[in-house]
Amino acid sequence: LAKTTQPISMDSYEGQEVNITCSHNNIATNDYITWYQQFPSQGPRFIIQGYKTKVTNEVASLFIPADRKSSTLSLPRVSLSDTAVYYCLGLPSRGSQGNLIFGKGTKLSVKP
Amino acid sequence: NAGVTQTPKFQVLKTGQSMTLQCAQDMNHEYMSWYRQDPGMGLRLIHYSVGAGITDQGEVPNGYNVSRSTTEDFPLRLLSAAPSQTSVYFCASSYSGVTGGESTDTQYFGPGTRLTVL
Repeated sequence: LAKTTQPISMDSYEGQEVNITCSHNNIATNDYITWYQQFPSQGPRFIIQGYKTKVTNEVASLFIPADRKSSTLSLPRVSLSDTAVYYCLGLPSRGSQGNLIFGKGTKLSVKP
Repeated sequence: NAGVTQTPKFQVLKTGQSMTLQCAQDMNHEYMSWYRQDPGMGLRLIHYSVGAGITDQGEVPNGYNVSRSTTEDFPLRLLSAAPSQTSVYFCASSYSGVTGGESTDTQYFGPGTRLTVL
């Protein structure tokens, strides 16, 4: 599974757009970029996944450039409830077998 | 569906005691995992299972045992608790598949068990 690097923490204010960049220089051809979100005192939850270009859902957008060595999770107009830790992972195309390796993630703090 | 359930929610042990953390899922997922989370350390994989009767070690398996006799249950056993095992433990289950060439791996996490070893 690809090794990923993210900022340890980020601060933002309500209503702003937040972009969290993840570096994955050694990503394999078959790896998909996957992001999880973890609120305090809860387990992580899947939010978005992509292979290249752009993916958007009701929660976030994910931008992956052509070289796939990095990706950016974009959260539009954040609110206080978006305060959480965000994890970036690289998963092979066949999926993991329950053995996901999470890094320390990016702790996002949204202030009023 | 109840999803992934864990019991107990809180537990305090004395050093040397043993106990079992329970985990169950009702989604018929083949894969199940145990993670521990310590402050500033993110999530670390302890053990995982790819199906009934099959388990494997993760990043930090020492001091823990697992077994998978059924698809639904994946208990984690602490053989002789140590203060270093004070942590929050999360169980997760997933079905990994490929749809249209895209990975559909999504792990579903339980609410966690907060364990303190004195």
